[in-house]
Amino acid sequence: GDSVTQMEGPVTLSEEAFLTINCTYTATGYPSLFWYVQYPGEGLQLLLKATKADDKGSNKGFEATYRKETTSFHLEKGSVQVSDSAVYFCALKPAGGNTPLVFGKGTRLSVIA
Amino acid sequence: DTGVSQNPRHKITKRGQNVTFRCDPISEHNRLYWYRQTLGQGPEFLTYFQNEAQLEKSRLLSDRFSAERPKGSFSTLEIQRTEQGDSAMYLCASSLGSGLADTQYFGPGTRLTVL
Repeated sequence: GDSVTQMEGPVTLSEEAFLTINCTYTATGYPSLFWYVQYPGEGLQLLLKATKADDKGSNKGFEATYRKETTSFHLEKGSVQVSDSAVYFCALKPAGGNTPLVFGKGTRLSVIA
Repeated sequence: DTGVSQNPRHKITKRGQNVTFRCDPISEHNRLYWYRQTLGQGPEFLTYFQNEAQLEKSRLLSDRFSAERPKGSFSTLEIQRTEQGDSAMYLCASSLGSGLADTQYFGPGTRLTVL
């Protein structure tokens, strides 16, 4: 079945460092890809998405490019802030319409001042 | 603009008791999903509704679990005869249901602790 694999955390970075969180997927066809973020004590919030190959999703300085050839959707940010500390989830929506999301296990990011 | 709301936010119960959670989706959204999230894991799909019809149920949804969405608005998730393994965060999400770009918006979740 479809699955998502994320790099294991926790990831600890200093403020203004460059962030990469790796995400690869296994799916048939062309799924849609998402990054969600979960701040402490809150629900999941959509961070960005991409629906077809080579699309780049971006929001709040975060970016991810849908790479069909490597089945990847890595999350990047050029300069992280303490407020970016959260758990980040990569997810896919399988091709074919009425389907629920398949999530990775999440990567915890801690940014220290 | 109100997002997805869930009640209660926290529930502590004793093993064997029944519990019911409520989810109110974004008003114009016709799809509603339930997920379960355990510590250190991503959310796992339980079931979803298109309006009032329950269209899919995961194998995770045992016979002790039942979900309803009367009139296609709010939804309830009931767990009967709770077990300690049911302790988790139960998440609700809703969406417009508009194809590949369909985006699910999540509520804050209900954290269940079974003693």
